[in-house]
Amino acid sequence: GQQVMQIPQYQHVQEGEDFTTYCNSSTTLSNIQWYKQRPGGHPVFLIQLVKSGEVKKQKRLTFQFGEAKKNSSLHITATQTTDVGTYFCASTDSWGKLQFGAGTQVVVTP
Amino acid sequence: NAGVTQTPKFRILKIGQSMTLQCTQDMNHNYMYWYRQDPGMGLKLIYYSVGAGITDKGEVPNGYNVSRSTTEDFPLRLELAAPSQTSVYFCASSYSGKTTLGGYTFGSGTRLTVV
Repeated sequence: GQQVMQIPQYQHVQEGEDFTTYCNSSTTLSNIQWYKQRPGGHPVFLIQLVKSGEVKKQKRLTFQFGEAKKNSSLHITATQTTDVGTYFCASTDSWGKLQFGAGTQVVVTP
Repeated sequence: NAGVTQTPKFRILKIGQSMTLQCTQDMNHNYMYWYRQDPGMGLKLIYYSVGAGITDKGEVPNGYNVSRSTTEDFPLRLELAAPSQTSVYFCASSYSGKTTLGGYTFGSGTRLTVV
């Protein structure tokens, strides 16, 4: 089945800095979803992108779906300690089952 | 609304023991899923269900069984626990399959250790 690869695996960020995490696939994706999992917590749905080139913003978070629908990115500006956690991208296959990437673990240094 | 509720939150099993992880949702979602998450890893799909009476295998079904007698409940059964089943188990639900509007709603997880 389709597989999404996330880079980087780990991201150490100074508070106040910006960073971007990426999600890539070798095949065209029907959609891309992003989830955040706080340490010791469960994944929480952030957003879904379905259109080629789509860009959506949630406060300091900007999500983008590539023109070819084979990649996506999550950009966080002015990182805060509340941004700590693991960010997963995922995409649904033809049966609606989500395939998750391995995640980007974000550590924020005050 | 409670969303997706999983019980128990923690459990320690001995090798060869059996147990059932409970999952119930009150959102009237047709689709339900079981995932496992090993430390520092992503989520692997174990089983899923598209409605009452319908279940199917995911990526890592060996050693597990499921049933879906009602829309609300989707229990996961471990028959002969093995150390390789030490993991965090998440149940999730969604309104539909392909569009999955609103994404998946996850339960808080069951942390299982097999010794």
